[in-house]
Amino acid sequence: EAGVAQSPRYKIIEKRQSVAFWCNPISGHATLYWYQQILGQGPKLLIQFQNNGVVDDSQLPKDRFSAERLKGVDSTLKIQPAKLEDSAVYLCASSSFFSGPSYNEQFFGPGTRLTVL
Amino acid sequence: SQQGEEDPQALSIQEGENATMNCSYKTSINNLQWYRQNSGRGLVHLILIRSNEREKHSGRLRVTLDTSKKSSSLLITASRAADTASYFCATRSSYGNKLVFGAGTILRVKS
Repeated sequence: EAGVAQSPRYKIIEKRQSVAFWCNPISGHATLYWYQQILGQGPKLLIQFQNNGVVDDSQLPKDRFSAERLKGVDSTLKIQPAKLEDSAVYLCASSSFFSGPSYNEQFFGPGTRLTVL
Repeated sequence: SQQGEEDPQALSIQEGENATMNCSYKTSINNLQWYRQNSGRGLVHLILIRSNEREKHSGRLRVTLDTSKKSSSLLITASRAADTASYFCATRSSYGNKLVFGAGTILRVKS
């Protein structure tokens, strides 16, 4: 079974520029997550999709971050304009079902390391 | 905000020794999960323990949960160099679906 794919793996941009990340979840996984992981910290959830609808985006800085999930499969996360503090690894994860506060294992992609200069 | 706090922040042991990592959290949970992250790679799910469970085993991993103290521990027995990684606990609330990660413990196993 193919895992979660992300691209690019690395990106270096200057502040105030724009950047986009792409994620392809595991086939058949209805739930997709974007996390931000700052160096030395654990991942922080930015947004969660169920199919192509947003379930939770409470920690997404909506003035500069946006995300969409095309046809309930691939997803893109965009930052416009980027700030120095956006330097982090952006992780995409997917899981097979959404059913309230019950267990579902999240499968993570390798992440995109963003450096903002 | 991060709910789980791992202790210690870093741990260095010899191959063959046991490694114990602790996690504390603040709010009521449905379950607690442990993940491993190797350098430059994504996270891998290791084990899940539900709020009504006290102990769980998986291979060389043993997880305990004390809901009265809002804490969990992960024990890795007979450690190997390949266990070198960062380990994160993550909690799922009783009231929502969000998975909240702690800051992690960096484990180094020396051969």
